[in-house]
Parts: sequence; C-alpha cells; structure tokens
Amino acid sequence: NAGVTQTPKFQVLKTGQSMTLQCAQDMNHNSMYWYRQDPGMGLRLIYYSASEGTTDKGEVPNGYNVSRLNKREFSLRLESAAPSQTSVYFCASSVLRGGNYGYTFGSGTRLTVV
Amino acid sequence: QQQVKQSPQSLIVQKGGISIINCAYENTAFDYFPWYQQFPGKGPALLIAIRPDVSEKKEGRFTISFNKSAKQFSLHIMDSQPGDSATYFCAASWGGDKIIFGKGTRLHILP
Repeated sequence: NAGVTQTPKFQVLKTGQSMTLQCAQDMNHNSMYWYRQDPGMGLRLIYYSASEGTTDKGEVPNGYNVSRLNKREFSLRLESAAPSQTSVYFCASSVLRGGNYGYTFGSGTRLTVV
Repeated sequence: QQQVKQSPQSLIVQKGGISIINCAYENTAFDYFPWYQQFPGKGPALLIAIRPDVSEKKEGRFTISFNKSAKQFSLHIMDSQPGDSATYFCAASWGGDKIIFGKGTRLHILP
C-alpha cells in the first residue's frame, strides 16, 4: 500500500547509545519531515528536507542528524541518546495537490531512552 | 510568532452534540490552515483545511470557521459520534513549506 513506512515501531535505548530511525515513502513526494510528539507539546518539527539532497533544521534539532538518502528515504539519527529524547517520532512527506499540502504521516516510532 | 495556540486541551461531549476546538495565530504570513485527526497508536491524518480567503469550509459533519481579522480559526464537529474520539491538531503553514502544529485537543465523545 502507498504511504510512509517507519522502522522500527518500538525501541528501547540506553543513555549514550546511538540509533537510526528509518523512513521511506513511495508516493514520489519531494518534501519529507521528522516530528516528535510529546504529551502536551503537540508535534514539533526536528528536521525537514524540501527535496533530495537538501535538509534544514526545524524547531528542535539539537541531538539529531538527518540524511536524505534519495527521494524515497529520509533517516533520523540519534548519535548519543538522552532520556529527554524519549518520545514518539513521526516521519511525514508532502506534495501540493489541488491547493492542499497533503502531509502523509507514518505510524510512528516509540522510543524510550533509559 | 510561529506558534499556533490551541484550546481546550481536552474536551468531553455527549453523543450528538457539537464539538468546538479553537486556534489562534500571530503570523499573518500563514496561508494554509489544516486540521489533523489522530487516533491512538496512529499517525495524524489530514481532516480538513482552509485558506485565509475563505471564511468557512464544510466537509460532512466537519466545518472550519476562519476569522482573518481576529487571526482565529475553529473546528466544529456536528452530531459528534463516539468514533470521533481522537486527538485533533490545528496547524498553519506558509509558502507550502513546513507546518506548525498546535498542542492538540483530546476529544472524548460519550456514548
């Protein structure tokens, strides 16, 4: 099925460990995004990529790095995980369609850092 | 200036009632205002959206009211159903770029 696929769905890390969250979309969208969702904080943008080969910081980029590997894939890396990075992470992609910016979200990665 | 302020944080409505969620913004450069619906364990999904040149948009039981001069917009859910129980996010963007989300409203419809 067309959409945004995120892996893994769940992950537990120890403080200081590193990991990469994977995201892939098969809708030929140009723009891709990483958000984190925390209780009472809504969805906050970490990084985004307006097109293949470009990335820009969002609202909360500290402690994260991203790679836009190709048009389909946009990965998020935590180099040294901290408990403050415990969150649900969502990847999204978008395209302008009929005047609406159709953001499609993945189902999320629930990350716990202990 | 980049914030979108959403209220209330949580809302309980009787089945068949009207659910109303409000949002306010400061940045007059915003040109697109979508609402997202999120069920537990799922990613947000686009519900309905409006542009500032329109005062109201209706899709089924869902209506966005937009007040450009007050810089406020709201979501009305008519004849609310238990299946509407979810978290709702208002949002805003400009120039087709990144979207700024409100903090969300957890809606519960009593059966």
